[in-house]
Amino acid sequence: SQTIHQWPATLVQPVGSPLSLECTVEGTSNPNLYWYRQAAGRGLQLLFYSVGIGQISSEVPQNLSASRPQDRQFILSSKKLLLSDSGFYLCAWSPLGVPSTGELFFGEGSRLTVL
Amino acid sequence: GENVEQHPSTLSVQEGDSAVIKCTYSDSASNYFPWYKQELGKRPQLIIDIRSNVGEKKDQRIAVTLNKTAKHFSLHITETQPEDSAVYFCAASTGAQKLVFGQGTRLTINP
Repeated sequence: SQTIHQWPATLVQPVGSPLSLECTVEGTSNPNLYWYRQAAGRGLQLLFYSVGIGQISSEVPQNLSASRPQDRQFILSSKKLLLSDSGFYLCAWSPLGVPSTGELFFGEGSRLTVL
Repeated sequence: GENVEQHPSTLSVQEGDSAVIKCTYSDSASNYFPWYKQELGKRPQLIIDIRSNVGEKKDQRIAVTLNKTAKHFSLHITETQPEDSAVYFCAASTGAQKLVFGQGTRLTINP
């Protein structure tokens, strides 16, 4: 069966510090991968998605970036965090080739607090 | 791009009553409309979905309706129970590799 792992689960970072959140999927190949951010009252905001290694689509201009160095690994990064980057970050995957007709499977999330 | 509006943002109903959450979308090309439930501290999980060639779909106490002409769809929960308390998200997709979510509805079931 397929599983998705995301870490760290929680972190507190000072403004201006770097960020790295990692997500890996097991039990499947060539998944679509996504990073969403959940902020209070704003629902699930799509940040990045990837349909293959090295292929990243950005949805929202910001100081975050994403990379996909391996087929089942998706990384969310920042060089310098802002207060507004605080939130709950969710990684998700869906089967490739089932773009809009398949279920999104979410990781357990990473809660980031920037002080 | 697609924009999804969801309301109400909060909803409180008595146990046993029905709850309705409504969403509108902007892109007439959208053809897939899922609903996700997120319990406190947990990840969102799919509870029901509907495709543009169907007007209504039911699964036990939950149902979803779709009006393509008006570009809106709704989630209906009947005979609500305490375990239905959660945040519910609607979403829409045009067939691209992504889902656009609504802002969420916090549903509280009062005993």
